[in-house]
Amino acid sequence: NAGVTQTPKFQVLKTGQSMTLQCAQDMNHNSMYWYRQDPGMGLRLIYYSASEGTTDKGEVPNGYNVSRLNKREFSLRLESAAPSQTSVYFCASTWGRNTEAFFGQGTRLTVV
Amino acid sequence: KNEVEQSPQNLTAQEGEFITINCSYSVGISALHWLQQHPGGGIVSLFMLSSGKKKHGRLIATINIQEKHSSLHITASHPRDSAVYICAVGSGGGADGLTFGKGTHLIIQP
Repeated sequence: NAGVTQTPKFQVLKTGQSMTLQCAQDMNHNSMYWYRQDPGMGLRLIYYSASEGTTDKGEVPNGYNVSRLNKREFSLRLESAAPSQTSVYFCASTWGRNTEAFFGQGTRLTVV
Repeated sequence: KNEVEQSPQNLTAQEGEFITINCSYSVGISALHWLQQHPGGGIVSLFMLSSGKKKHGRLIATINIQEKHSSLHITASHPRDSAVYICAVGSGGGADGLTFGKGTHLIIQP
């Protein structure tokens, strides 16, 4: 039972480089989310997808794009990485609003 | 935007002690989540509740909707309970996703 799988677990980027964080869930969940976790702050929502084919901005979407490739997969892309995007990124999924949330193991990203 | 406050921010206790972590929020919610995060690890859901009380093993979560307050209790605490405990709320309105507290860093000493 894999749950929510994120790749990679660690990444170092140079300023201006691009990369895509991958997330897949095997629970047939409808909703998927990308959050970032910074020291001294609660997790913040970057983007979410309430269902296959839809995506919406969260609290901190600037500098990111997302793709809901299919029901299982939800990717997060940084087109031109900046040091301010150094963070730990978590993907999560749920059946829908007000249901239990399942989280991936996180991706620790450092932009130098 | 909902404001989620947790207290205490840090808590160190001895093995066997009864632990209480508090969470308050500013706007009415549809559900409240308690999550656990071990150092360097992922985030695991402990409870989701919208009223009353839930119990799982040595963990108990309560919520008072009128007072906009929830507590997480750990009975007979053990060093393996050492982790960050995070409170998160789902809004009752149109926005999706959760709003998180900053977490409570718990250390249980043997």
